[in-house]
Amino acid sequence: AAGVIQSPRHLIKEKRETATLKCYPIPRHDTVYWYQQGPGQDPQFLISFYEKMQSDKGSIPDRFSAQQFSDYHSELNMSSLELGDSALYFCASSLVWSSGSSLNEQFFGPGTRLTVL
Amino acid sequence: DAKTTQPPSMDCAEGRAANLPCNHSTISGNEYVYWYRQIHSQGPQYIIHGLKNNETNEMASLIITEDRKSSTLILPHATLRDTAVYYCIVSYTGNQFYFGTGTSLTVIP
Repeated sequence: AAGVIQSPRHLIKEKRETATLKCYPIPRHDTVYWYQQGPGQDPQFLISFYEKMQSDKGSIPDRFSAQQFSDYHSELNMSSLELGDSALYFCASSLVWSSGSSLNEQFFGPGTRLTVL
Repeated sequence: DAKTTQPPSMDCAEGRAANLPCNHSTISGNEYVYWYRQIHSQGPQYIIHGLKNNETNEMASLIITEDRKSSTLILPHATLRDTAVYYCIVSYTGNQFYFGTGTSLTVIP
């Protein structure tokens, strides 16, 4: 079965550079979530999109932005990178019920490991 | 969303049942309990979720107390591949998850 695809899998950037992470959800899933997991930390929710509109916002820094496109893929844009941004970035997708809440499971991708030097 | 409390680590003998507890004493009536696990920096994997009733699927069973202030995830026959960090998450909508510190389960041969 198709899974969530994230690209790139590994990314190395310098401080103050920008980075773009991509997420391709499972076909027919309409909701995408982004999480950040620092070394030895638990995943932290950043932001989510439902039907191309931002639905929930977590601890996403102002330097980061994200969007969901018409084909439902999503991109996380990160600017003015800092050393502390080094982390695993997970994307997850799910199918939201018509009631507007996702009571189904979120399917996580393999993650993008970002290293900021 | 309600906070959860889990023991930081547990061991379980291979082939035995692993019982992972979770306290969520501030859970509200319409919040679900979800369990996920993460194997060594892979993406978290869904295990099971429930509201009030006990639930069972091919991976595990979820036992929720009558007052819903705690729950237990049961892996009936733990294998070495079940070694992972297990997260108990309480969420109203399932649209955003706040992972706690989880329980690091080690299955011992």
